[in-house]
Amino acid sequence: SQQGEEDPQALSIQEGENATMNCSYKTSINNLQWYRQNSGRGLVHLILIRSNEREKHSGRLRVTLDTSKKSSSLLITASRAADTASYFCATVPNRDDKIIFGKGTRLHILP
Amino acid sequence: DAGVTQSPTHLIKTRGQQVTLRCSPKSGHDTVSWYQQALGQGPQFIFQYYEEEERQRGNFPDRFSGHQFPNYSSELNVNALLLGDSALYLCASSLGSTRQPQHFGDGTRLSIL
Repeated sequence: SQQGEEDPQALSIQEGENATMNCSYKTSINNLQWYRQNSGRGLVHLILIRSNEREKHSGRLRVTLDTSKKSSSLLITASRAADTASYFCATVPNRDDKIIFGKGTRLHILP
Repeated sequence: DAGVTQSPTHLIKTRGQQVTLRCSPKSGHDTVSWYQQALGQGPQFIFQYYEEEERQRGNFPDRFSGHQFPNYSSELNVNALLLGDSALYLCASSLGSTRQPQHFGDGTRLSIL
């Protein structure tokens, strides 16, 4: 079973708007990672946030982590057509290294 | 500097057959992980290889096996193929473990008829 659950499953926004995706998980984690996948391609690592961190930035990306609620969010600011992709959160449990991916959020940026 | 490469890109097999998929990790990486991604789903962790040994394994039957070579490249073998094995098989490499960012190849699309 998949531990991470992204919300929403699909999201369509206008170019230039901000996109927010959420991820919930069940067990204690070492870290949480976000990945992007373009259609028919492999996943690309976006950002890693450790369990003792609360917020991290990378370019137009902002990730938050709330370990008390077992949730994370990914914010993409000033969206572009090239941001159209599926976004996955992945958790690495404390007990082992068996990384667990969620089902993903399909983001579509409208021109 | 080559990233993760996988071969073949597409493969069609019939039920009961066996298949071998190959992966070359990103230069400098010593750990290879394999994932199965069904259509519309997230990747599911199959297993991880480090120093030529299987270090972690997900909830996959023994029909799924692997190997890592001294040059860190890896193979995924699946025996007695079932229709449900149809999926995109992804290989990812990292330095040390899945606690580090994973670098993915573009996968092998396996179709079972």
